[in-house]
Parts: sequence; structure tokens; C-alpha cells
Amino acid sequence: GAGVSQSPRYKVAKRGQDVALRCDPISGHVSLFWYQQALGQGPEFLTYFQNEAQLDKSGLPSDRFFAERPEGSVSTLKIQRTQQEDSAVYLCASSYVAGATYEQYFGPGTRLTVT
Amino acid sequence: GQNIDQPTEMTATEGAIVQINCTYQTSGFNGLFWYQQHAAEAPTFLSYNVLDGLEEKGRFSSFLSRSKGYSYLLLKELQMKDSASYLCASLDSNYQLIWGAGTKLIIKP
Repeated sequence: GAGVSQSPRYKVAKRGQDVALRCDPISGHVSLFWYQQALGQGPEFLTYFQNEAQLDKSGLPSDRFFAERPEGSVSTLKIQRTQQEDSAVYLCASSYVAGATYEQYFGPGTRLTVT
Repeated sequence: GQNIDQPTEMTATEGAIVQINCTYQTSGFNGLFWYQQHAAEAPTFLSYNVLDGLEEKGRFSSFLSRSKGYSYLLLKELQMKDSASYLCASLDSNYQLIWGAGTKLIIKP
């Protein structure tokens, strides 16, 4: 079956532009996570959805970051007024159980470069 | 604060055995994950330990000591395709994964 997909794979934005990153989780997966991964570092947690409910957004670095999952499947991470420090790979992961106590399936990521 | 420590880089020979160590200090503990990440690819799940001891899965084994805040990943019969980064992640009291920076494993023929 299909895995987690993300689009676009690469995005170049000028500083100040808004961007929207899409994640299609594995069908039927309850949990969806967004992570930010800088070069040479491990992923850093951004936010967590259980179905359509955003249960944890404590990792979002500023109010310029916003995520939604309105129908409990596809999710969008939006970054407003992008800054150079937002340049990173944004990873989406899904899991068929609620919470993080089980294997997460990762998408290939969106590499965002802010110039 | 929360901290995950693992070596930055390790080198090993094809066919040999390598052990990648990870120490963690997190607010609460609900288990320890290992993921493999090839360059420019997504992390893929290797193991999850919540109880002390060794769990074996084919060529890969993972060990946990909760009292020492320590885990290791053991890779046997190394193959060239095992060249990747290995990420250690601790599940904290808020059930958030706290990730290490990863250990880049280089396999030489």
C-alpha cells in the first residue's frame, strides 16, 4: 500500500513569503506528527494530531506556524512570513494508534529553503 | 533540560559488528526508539524498548537500561547498505519524542 506522501518535495521561498506544506498520511492512521529537521540534526517535534484534533502544538516555534487536519486525514503545515531560520526539512509521520508509543511511518519530507 | 547523547560518527568494516550507544535524560520516560535514516530519506523504525533488557530482531538488537538512562543498538554482519544515520529517541512524560542528533555510520569494504 501507499506510504506517507508529502508535497512539494522541495520549496524555495523568498523571505516574507507564506508557504503551505502538505502531508498525506497512510489511510486509516489516527495519529499525525509534524517534525522539523535541520541538517545534521535529529527531528524536532512541532505538533501532533489525533484524527482532526490538534492535541499538542507545543513545538511550533512561533505564531507564524500553523497546522491543520480538518477531516482527520490530509494535513497542512503553513508558515507565514518565512524567515531564513525556517530553512529545514519538514517531516510528517503517521501512526495507526493514538499517541507516540508505537512505530511512526515517515514521509520523505519537504526541504524548505528560504532565501 | 532534556538531552539525548550519541556519537556523531562511527566507522566499521563490512561483515563486522558495531554498537551504537545512546544516553538520555528526559523529563519522564515512556520508552526508547531507534530509527535508521539514509541520506536525504525518511527515518524508518528499527526498535522500541520500554523494559530493561535486550531485544533481538534479525541482524539488529537493541538494549535498554532504565536505571542508567542508557541504550545501545547492535548491528551484526554489517552490510554496505547499513551505511546510514541511526537516530535514538526517548519518549518523555508528555509522550513527545525527544531525538538525538543521530550517529552517522560509515561501512568500509
